Amino acid sequence: ETGVTQSPTHLIKTRGQQVTLRCSSQSGHNTVSWYQQALGQGPQFIFQYYREEENGRGNFPPRFSGLQFPNYSSELNVNALELDDSALYLCASRWQGKDTEAFFGQGTRLTVV
Amino acid sequence: GQQLNQSPQSMFIQEGEDVSMNCTSSSIFNTWLWYKQDPGEGPVLLIALYKAGELTSNGRLTAQFGITRKDSFLNISASIPSDVGIYFCAGPSNTDKLIFGTGTRLQVFP
Repeated sequence: ETGVTQSPTHLIKTRGQQVTLRCSSQSGHNTVSWYQQALGQGPQFIFQYYREEENGRGNFPPRFSGLQFPNYSSELNVNALELDDSALYLCASRWQGKDTEAFFGQGTRLTVV
Repeated sequence: GQQLNQSPQSMFIQEGEDVSMNCTSSSIFNTWLWYKQDPGEGPVLLIALYKAGELTSNGRLTAQFGITRKDSFLNISASIPSDVGIYFCAGPSNTDKLIFGTGTRLQVFP
């Protein structure tokens, strides 16, 4: 039990559609990161939010965007879905001052058809 | 960019055996984290290492932060069936994002 929950757990979308994934962080954690994990791969960093502002981004196009809210929840939005966006999407929360002991949610499995 | 390479890629062992896996990088890391991921689940933090040379245990798991700060090792003693999963090393990049290794898939046979 990591205290980080994601919704929904599974989702099927059509190419070209838009999707919003949600994450509820551990209480008190001021930093949330989102990762994309393709089958058989390690998680790839999408972006990170600290105190509701994006403060780091990986090699993902602008159609991947996010929001972080004061109540420790956050969202990942993906526009114009492509087949290659099919993956497990993970959020991880941590307390910025405690370096990098990030705690992950169970993930959202997104399938784009 | 910074990358973490793990070996072996996969392991098939018998219950009761000890397991060793490692993680190497071409650049220095100041923190090493080891995670375990079960199928369809998010990674779960096992051990965190913060100092070069540090040796830390968590039950049957022991991890070490390499002296060069470019590698880390994870050992599992007396493996049991629930040790099955994928083990990832991870560390913060120089831009503070968490980078994951390629993973070691562990299979334990009774």
